[in-house]
Amino acid sequence: EIVMTQTPTSLSVIPGQAASISCKSTESLVNRDGATNIYWYLERPGQSPQLLIYDGFSRIPDVPDRFSGSGSKTDFTLQISRVEAGDVGLYFCMQGVKLPWTFGQGTRLEIK
Amino acid sequence: EVHLVESGGDLVQPGGSLILSCEASGFTFGAYWMTWVRRLPGKGLEWVANIKPDGGEENYLDSMKGRFIISRDNAHNSLFLQLNNVREEDTAIYYCARVDLGRGVDIWGLGTHVTVSS
Repeated sequence: EIVMTQTPTSLSVIPGQAASISCKSTESLVNRDGATNIYWYLERPGQSPQLLIYDGFSRIPDVPDRFSGSGSKTDFTLQISRVEAGDVGLYFCMQGVKLPWTFGQGTRLEIK
Repeated sequence: EVHLVESGGDLVQPGGSLILSCEASGFTFGAYWMTWVRRLPGKGLEWVANIKPDGGEENYLDSMKGRFIISRDNAHNSLFLQLNNVREEDTAIYYCARVDLGRGVDIWGLGTHVTVSS
């Protein structure tokens, strides 16, 4: 199975500062159509996981443009340009290129 | 608005069985692949199984083949996961989620808790 290594496990950020989360996969996440099947989610306390970014860099409508995804093949990053209090929660990545779908261990973001 | 609501989680003894349900609303349920994902205590997320829109194809994590059964009732907008011969390591929060072919796993429920203990 594809292993997703996500770092860091936790982040403490001053509001207005940037944050960056990395996910590295043991195999390329590029599918046969050329899309990159990595997804980024935020699980706020007491809520369902929310999809933020799909196919590596495509933002879901209503997700602020402060959130961006980048990377290629096996090395991916979620960046939050200006962290706000509402961004607190657990961020995780998921690969969907090959079964079994697998997840990063998660990054807990807190506000300093 | 799109919603997924899981139910059926409970305390069950090792070797026992349980059926989890997921009720969908706000979208054409029968047009989507659906999936179950679980969060193990102190660990991350683990994909469990998925099922084709018409129910004609099912896929499982290897460790669950033969023990778990995913099914759906499109007439009642419902997804199910039957857990058989459960083990303590099946203790987890089980999430029902929708699979969008363009966006991946895009909608999740709040989850239902399963505890396996004697």
